[in-house]
Amino acid sequence: DTGVSQDPRHKITKRGQNVTFRCDPISEHNRLYWYRQTLGQGPEFLTYFQNEAQLEKSRLLSDRFSAERPKGSFSTLEIQRTEQGDSAMYLCASSFSGGIGGYTFGSGTRLTVV
Amino acid sequence: GENVEQHPSTLSVQEGDSAVIKCTYSDSASNYFPWYKQELGKGPQLIIDIRSNVGEKKDQRIAVTLNKTAKHFSLHITETQPEDSAVYFCAASRVGNYGQNFVFGPGTRLSVLP
Repeated sequence: DTGVSQDPRHKITKRGQNVTFRCDPISEHNRLYWYRQTLGQGPEFLTYFQNEAQLEKSRLLSDRFSAERPKGSFSTLEIQRTEQGDSAMYLCASSFSGGIGGYTFGSGTRLTVV
Repeated sequence: GENVEQHPSTLSVQEGDSAVIKCTYSDSASNYFPWYKQELGKGPQLIIDIRSNVGEKKDQRIAVTLNKTAKHFSLHITETQPEDSAVYFCAASRVGNYGQNFVFGPGTRLSVLP
């Protein structure tokens, strides 16, 4: 199965530390999205790439957050100086620009900031 | 911006009965409406979608209806089975040339009782 892969699945970190998550999209998909999901809520959009270009960022993405997709393949999401409010599930999704349709989501990285 | 509301927040049905989940959206420019199913510890999975030029779409036991005038859409699941138990999210988006960012509803936890 070549679905969307996210690593790690779980991350526990101390407040103030930096963390980095990785997403490997479906290989033929050129669009990649990051969403954040807190307990009991729907996913909220963070940012979006088409190939290597970051085309849109949400106001939720503070300056402590940075995302990259250097070669248009995998992507990383880094959170600097983590805060307890950053605790959430971080979901990556990918899609193909050639059609209109839903994304394929990965299983997410659950971040707990203690 | 877009705002999506979803009702009910929890729904319990007997196996074999039907389940209906309703969503409303605020942006009349939204033109694509997917439904996702999320099981515990997993990412959301697309189960059905509808575009604004269609009023109804059916896929086996699942159907979605859209009323553009009233700006609401609904998910109908017939002959429910225990494996239908999950959290269901509706979403709305405006598809453009540069990707489609979904605004999700808060979710409905469906429990199918055997």
